[in-house]
Amino acid sequence: GAVVSQHPSWVICKSGTSVKIECRSLDFQATTMFWYRQFPKQSLMLMATSNEGSKATYEQGVEKDKFLINHASLTLSTLTVTSAHPEDSSFYICSVRRGVRDTQYFGPGTRLTVL
Amino acid sequence: AQKVTQAQTEISVVEKEDVTLDCVYETRDTTYYLFWYKQPPSGELVFLIRRNSFDEQNEISGRYSWNFQKSTSSFNFTITASQVVDSAVYFCALITQGGSEKLVFGKGTKLTVNP
Repeated sequence: GAVVSQHPSWVICKSGTSVKIECRSLDFQATTMFWYRQFPKQSLMLMATSNEGSKATYEQGVEKDKFLINHASLTLSTLTVTSAHPEDSSFYICSVRRGVRDTQYFGPGTRLTVL
Repeated sequence: AQKVTQAQTEISVVEKEDVTLDCVYETRDTTYYLFWYKQPPSGELVFLIRRNSFDEQNEISGRYSWNFQKSTSSFNFTITASQVVDSAVYFCALITQGGSEKLVFGKGTKLTVNP
């Protein structure tokens, strides 16, 4: 499968600070990149879909001003959790794909803990 | 609307046993793709297989095999001679062409293989 990297793999921050998570598609240029959130023992919850050069499309209930997504290039997307609070603590996973017919590959995830 | 049901929340087996993970999907679209992903304790989702709606051939890859049956809208996954390293959460997912074009995940099945 394709290689997707995420950085950092884990982060601990104080409440009120902002945290940036990077996602890179290392094997191909990803037309679309996705950001998911996963709570313990639950399935993945899609937060937003991001296409290079355009604004991200957020799922219902996801605050776009809190979770800023920048899809700067076909191989890089960033998720910034602004003014993080303890309830934002979660496992964040990015995903990449070329097109709808193509397989979606996932990054290793970033575990965010907000104190 | 698309839906994926993984009725088995948790399965526990003893090493070398065969185990089948069930996946039932719902969609009205005629063109769709089905996937299985493995999420070990490390958290990264590992792609296992992709199947399109026009290919009902069963597939075998080592100890893994998949049974796709459109008549029952099922895409079941069997692990033969299970090993401790197979312990993980397994997700079945569906994406349709012409629909939302987003992966729809089941809730996952946690498999524990005991030595």
